[in-house]
Amino acid sequence: DTAVSQTPKYLVTQMGNDKSIKCEQNLGHDTMYWYKQDSKKFLKIMFSYNNKELIINETVPNRFSPKSPDKAHLNLHINSLELGDSAVYFCASSPGSGQPQHFGDGTRLSIL
Amino acid sequence: TQLLEQSPQFLSIQEGENLTVYCNSSSVFSSLQWYRQEPGEGPVLLVTVVTGGEVKKLKRLTFQFGDARKDSSLHITAAQTGDTGLYLCAGGRGGQNFVFGPGTRLSVLP
Repeated sequence: DTAVSQTPKYLVTQMGNDKSIKCEQNLGHDTMYWYKQDSKKFLKIMFSYNNKELIINETVPNRFSPKSPDKAHLNLHINSLELGDSAVYFCASSPGSGQPQHFGDGTRLSIL
Repeated sequence: TQLLEQSPQFLSIQEGENLTVYCNSSSVFSSLQWYRQEPGEGPVLLVTVVTGGEVKKLKRLTFQFGDARKDSSLHITAAQTGDTGLYLCAGGRGGQNFVFGPGTRLSVLP
């Protein structure tokens, strides 16, 4: 049973396109996150949701829009993709805010 | 300016050697976590430390939280090739989400 699952695992697309990444957790956690890990492996938080409510929105371009239809799902939609968006995007969940996190295996986004 | 620094950035050792990696900050944290990330996977939690001076052992891994709760160390005894990976520390400040350090990339050679 996969605890935090992300789809797709790989995403290759052209600059200017719009794409979505989906995330689901079956751990019953209240808090979910999106992180971006760049080529130097630095993991930076983008968004955090607690019980479907946005609680953290770091300095992220408004081309990135998270959506949480229920507390088990947190999707990430990206408009007008740019070359600098190429990275690995990780979804994570935790029982509550500030508690140990369980990560998905990442979505590798490559912009051509 | 990074809130958490990790050193060394890269470490390559032979199987059987001991090693220590460090996580340092000028900020106080209510808790600190260590994760290991292997290629193609997400970070996996190893330990959480919450009390200043706390020491936790996980088989060959020993984690210590500094007395002032600003730093932490991870010591591995008799390293194995399976210990290879990116070691990340993450600091939390009471209810707020965690800030990750840049990581130490460990290679254990057979």
